[in-house]
Amino acid sequence: GENVEQHPSTLSVQEGDSAVIKCTYSDSASNYFPWYKQELGKRPQLIIDIRSNVGEKKDQRIAVTLNKTAKHFSLHITETQPEDSAVYFCAGYNNNDMRFGAGTRLTVKP
Amino acid sequence: KAGVTQTPRYLIKTRGQQVTLSCSPISGHRSVSWYQQTPGQGLQFLFEYFSETQRNKGNFPGRFSGRQFSNSRSEMNVSTLELGDSALYLCASSLLLPGQGGEQFFGPGTRLTVL
Repeated sequence: GENVEQHPSTLSVQEGDSAVIKCTYSDSASNYFPWYKQELGKRPQLIIDIRSNVGEKKDQRIAVTLNKTAKHFSLHITETQPEDSAVYFCAGYNNNDMRFGAGTRLTVKP
Repeated sequence: KAGVTQTPRYLIKTRGQQVTLSCSPISGHRSVSWYQQTPGQGLQFLFEYFSETQRNKGNFPGRFSGRQFSNSRSEMNVSTLELGDSALYLCASSLLLPGQGGEQFFGPGTRLTVL
């Protein structure tokens, strides 16, 4: 089955700086890669996703890149704000199976 | 449009008991997935259902089972509860399967504590 690894486990940045979270996956047949943001005590919320036929997708301050050859994908947050502080999860989906990374705790210091 | 709802929100059980959790997807969504979230293991896939059919099951023992009804509502059952089953159980619904263009929306979860 799919195995998704996520790095780093914690990330601290200054407000206004960029943050990058990286994930690798093992199953080359995986075709859908969502990113979720989970604030303390709340449900995960989809913030951006990318499918295997696209290399990059952007939504305002958030972007995701996918390298199918290397089997890794990354989340980029620019101009970070304190409200971006949360745990971020990447996931890979194939054959009715969604596998999550272990999560990255992002702290944005004002 | 109402979001994904889960009942109950909190549950306390003792070892050996069984429990049933319920998930009502967003209206019109036919796919429901269940996940277990714990501090140590993170988010782990339990089941995926689409149109009343279980499409896949994660690496969990047979004590974990589920079903989906014709109105897309889903239930999961855990029998013979163990201390390690204490977790937040999340369900997520999508219009289509994620691999076919569906985006998953999560419910608030059911916090299960096994004493």
